[in-house]
Amino acid sequence: SQTIHQWPATLVQPVGSPLSLECTVEGTSNPNLYWYRQAAGRGLQLLFYSVGIGQISSEVPQNLSASRPQDRQFILSSKKLLLSDSGFYLCAWSRESYEQYFGPGTRLTVT
Amino acid sequence: AQSVSQHNHHVILSEAASLELGCNYSYGGTVNLFWYVQYPGQHLQLLLKYFSGDPLVKGIKGFEAEFIKSKFSFNLRKPSVQWSDTAEYFCAVKGNAGNMLTFGGGTRLMVKP
Repeated sequence: SQTIHQWPATLVQPVGSPLSLECTVEGTSNPNLYWYRQAAGRGLQLLFYSVGIGQISSEVPQNLSASRPQDRQFILSSKKLLLSDSGFYLCAWSRESYEQYFGPGTRLTVT
Repeated sequence: AQSVSQHNHHVILSEAASLELGCNYSYGGTVNLFWYVQYPGQHLQLLLKYFSGDPLVKGIKGFEAEFIKSKFSFNLRKPSVQWSDTAEYFCAVKGNAGNMLTFGGGTRLMVKP
């Protein structure tokens, strides 16, 4: 069966520091991968998605970037965090255009 | 651009009460529709989905949803809720031609024992 991992589970970082969140998927190959940010009362906002290694599409211009160095690895990064980057970040995968499956998420607090 | 609206942000029910959570979407073409649930401290997980066929779809834990194309709606229902249904529920829509899900703002359901 397929599983999706995210780490770290929680992270507290000062403003201006770099960020790297990692997501890996097991048990499938060539998945579509997604990064979302979840804000209270606002649902999930799609940040990035990828249909293959090195292929990244950005949905929202912002202080973040994403990379897919390996087939089942998806990384969310920032060079300099802002206070507004605080939130709950979710990674998801899907098989082509079918339903998406979500990871446990990372709670990021920027201080 | 597609959008999803969940009108109820917070719902409080007693056990055994019936539940209906509203979901309306805006999209001009064929859609795939989803309800996801997030129990306290757990992953977001798929509750049910509609791709085609019978517009009344049944999901896990006794939930069902009805796709009404003329009303652009996909309301979630359960005849009798339990305390364990306390969670946040998200409606989502995907255009048939793409991979991206658009989520509603979510509805927090609290079921009182």
